Amino acid sequence: GQQLNQSPQSMFIQEGEDVSMNCTSSSIFNTWLWYKQDPGEGPVLLIALYKAGELTSNGRLTAQFGTTRKDSFLNISASIPSDVGIYFCAVHNNAGNMLTFGGGTRLMVKP
Amino acid sequence: EAGVTQSPTHLIKTRGQQVTLRCSPISGHTSVYWYQQALGLGLQFLLWYDEGEERNRGNFPPRFSGRQFPNYSSELNVNALELEDSALYLCASSLGQGSGYTFGSGTRLTVV
Repeated sequence: GQQLNQSPQSMFIQEGEDVSMNCTSSSIFNTWLWYKQDPGEGPVLLIALYKAGELTSNGRLTAQFGTTRKDSFLNISASIPSDVGIYFCAVHNNAGNMLTFGGGTRLMVKP
Repeated sequence: EAGVTQSPTHLIKTRGQQVTLRCSPISGHTSVYWYQQALGLGLQFLLWYDEGEERNRGNFPPRFSGRQFPNYSSELNVNALELEDSALYLCASSLGQGSGYTFGSGTRLTVV
């Protein structure tokens, strides 16, 4: 099946620092999605990317759809304590009706 | 618009017992997906239902089963509970092709 390699697995940073995480695969995809899961909650969609090379921002978050269509990156600028959580990348299967998720990046922010 | 609702929010069961978890999708969403998340780690795909039919199943034993009702709500059943079944069970719904998922807040199951 489709395999997404998400890194790093965890990050412990100081408030105010920038954060970068990525997702890679050996397969080509037409959509990349990024979700965030707050502690004790379900994941929530942050950003959706639909075109190779696309760069999309949502506040302090910026995500890019890699030009090879095999990877995606998520950056968070000037981190704050509420950025704490698990970030997941996801892609659609060929039929577009199921998502495969990466293993997640756990972000911890020290005030 | 109401989001995806799951019930109960928490429950504790004894090893060997059976449990039923419930999920109501967003109105208009026909697909329901179930995931298991142990120890706050990755999302393990369990089941996908669409239009009342099971469309796909993850790598879980047959004691994990479910169904989808005509109103698109869904149940997840787990028989013969084991300690390692302790996890957060997440339900998500989707409009279908090309759509992202909307997740519920999950049911926290503890097996003792």
